[in-house]
Amino acid sequence: EVQLVESGGGLVKPGGSLTLSCAASGFTFDTYAMNWVRQAPGKGLEWVSSISSGSTYMYYADSVKGRFTVSKDNARNSLYLRMDGLRAEDTAVYYCARELRHCTAGTCSLSFFDLWGRGTLVTVSS
Amino acid sequence: DIVMTQSPDSLAVSLGERATISCKSSQSLLNNSNNKTHLAWYQQKPGQPPKLLIYWASTRDSGVPDRFSGSASGADFTLTISSLQAEDVAVYYCQQFYGTWTFGQGTKVEVK
Repeated sequence: EVQLVESGGGLVKPGGSLTLSCAASGFTFDTYAMNWVRQAPGKGLEWVSSISSGSTYMYYADSVKGRFTVSKDNARNSLYLRMDGLRAEDTAVYYCARELRHCTAGTCSLSFFDLWGRGTLVTVSS
Repeated sequence: DIVMTQSPDSLAVSLGERATISCKSSQSLLNNSNNKTHLAWYQQKPGQPPKLLIYWASTRDSGVPDRFSGSASGADFTLTISSLQAEDVAVYYCQQFYGTWTFGQGTKVEVK
C-alpha cells in the first residue's frame, strides 16, 4: 500500500527539541522530493520544509529557518524533521507530503503534493 | 513570498447546486520553462489530511470526480463543484508551487 506514516510528536516545553519521522512505503522513495506541512489547531495549512529526492536541496519557511532541519534517508525510506528551539507557535499537526518534481534539461521545477500522511501532533507548552 | 488569497472564507450551498471558490495570487504562476501554471487545489475533510484534487490549475488528480473542475485567468483561479454532494463538505485550499509553497487561507464549504 502506498502510504506515509508520521511519528514522533508529543508534548515538549518551550525551548525544547523534538525529531519527527515519516515512514514511506509502497513507492520508490528515492525518486521523490518530500515536504513537511503543519496545521495549527483550527487554522490553515503552512508549508514548513522541503528536501529534494537526493537531499541536495533543502528549503525552509522563514518561521522555522535556523531552528528546524530536514533530512531524508533513502535507504530507510524515511524522512525526518529535527526541531530545536521550539516555541508555543510551533504547536500543530505536522504532515509529511510527497512531491514529484518535473525536470527539463537538468532544471527541476517545484511541484504539488500528491500523497499525505495522517499527521503527528506537536504541542509546545510549559 | 507569493501571497494566495481565497474567497469567500465560507459558503453554504444546497445539495445539487454549484459551488465556486476563488483564489488570487500576488503574481503570475505561469512557468515559462514548462508552460504550466503552478497551482493546485486540495480538499480537507474534518480529522483527515489534505487530499490533492487538481494540479496545473485544471488537471484533476486520479479518481477525483468530474464534478470538480479548476480554471485560471491570469493570476485568478477558480475551483468549481458543479453539483454539490454531501461528501464534498470540507475545507478547500489553493496552493502555489511557482516559488516555495504557500497556501490560501482555506474556504469552508457547507450544505445549506
